[in-house]
Amino acid sequence: AQSVTQLGSHVSVSEGALVLLRCNYSSSVPPYLFWYVQYPNQGLQLLLKYTTGATLVKGINGFEAEFKKSETSFHLTKPSAHMSDAAEYFCAVTGGIGTDKLIFGTGTRLQVFP
Amino acid sequence: EAGVAQSPRYKIIEKRQSVAFWCNPISGHATLYWYQQILGQGPKLLIQFQNNGVVDDSQLPKDRFSAERLKGVDSTLKIQPAKLEDSAVYLCASSPTRNTEAFFGQGTRLTVV
Repeated sequence: AQSVTQLGSHVSVSEGALVLLRCNYSSSVPPYLFWYVQYPNQGLQLLLKYTTGATLVKGINGFEAEFKKSETSFHLTKPSAHMSDAAEYFCAVTGGIGTDKLIFGTGTRLQVFP
Repeated sequence: EAGVAQSPRYKIIEKRQSVAFWCNPISGHATLYWYQQILGQGPKLLIQFQNNGVVDDSQLPKDRFSAERLKGVDSTLKIQPAKLEDSAVYLCASSPTRNTEAFFGQGTRLTVV
């Protein structure tokens, strides 16, 4: 079975500082991994995804994530935070080929201070 | 390209009442999902359709929840009767086919009082 753990329900950074949101997964098969962002009263928007191939994945809005199989991690980073990055971020996993059911973590709320 | 449309955006009902949510996926998308997002939690899949057939409804509380996707396009999710713990945001998503990116609607926020 697949599961996702997001460490830290709230993360606060200053504008211009590094953003690091942590995600660890558990999967019995090679996983597909995703990061979604949710702005207030909005649906989820895909930031980036890892399926196969290059382990460093670049997404929209300057975000990137690295798949580390040995650490079962898929942490999300952004070199310089912007006020507009304030939102809720969800890491999700599927079981790879054959199943597309997304299992979400509990989310991390990012606050950005001026 | 129009996104996933959901209605209503907000709904307040009393417990034991019935409620229905509607979803219009992106045109041509064969796969449709309903997720339940309880405050402070990540979304949880309730049901997945492939065209008008059910792929996964293992986490749908079938004694009170039902969903249909007639003609493989629009979908409705119904709760009858509602309980307090059903208060959540109900998200609809669609994707061109299975194992491709899912696009989410804005959701319906349900409050059961």
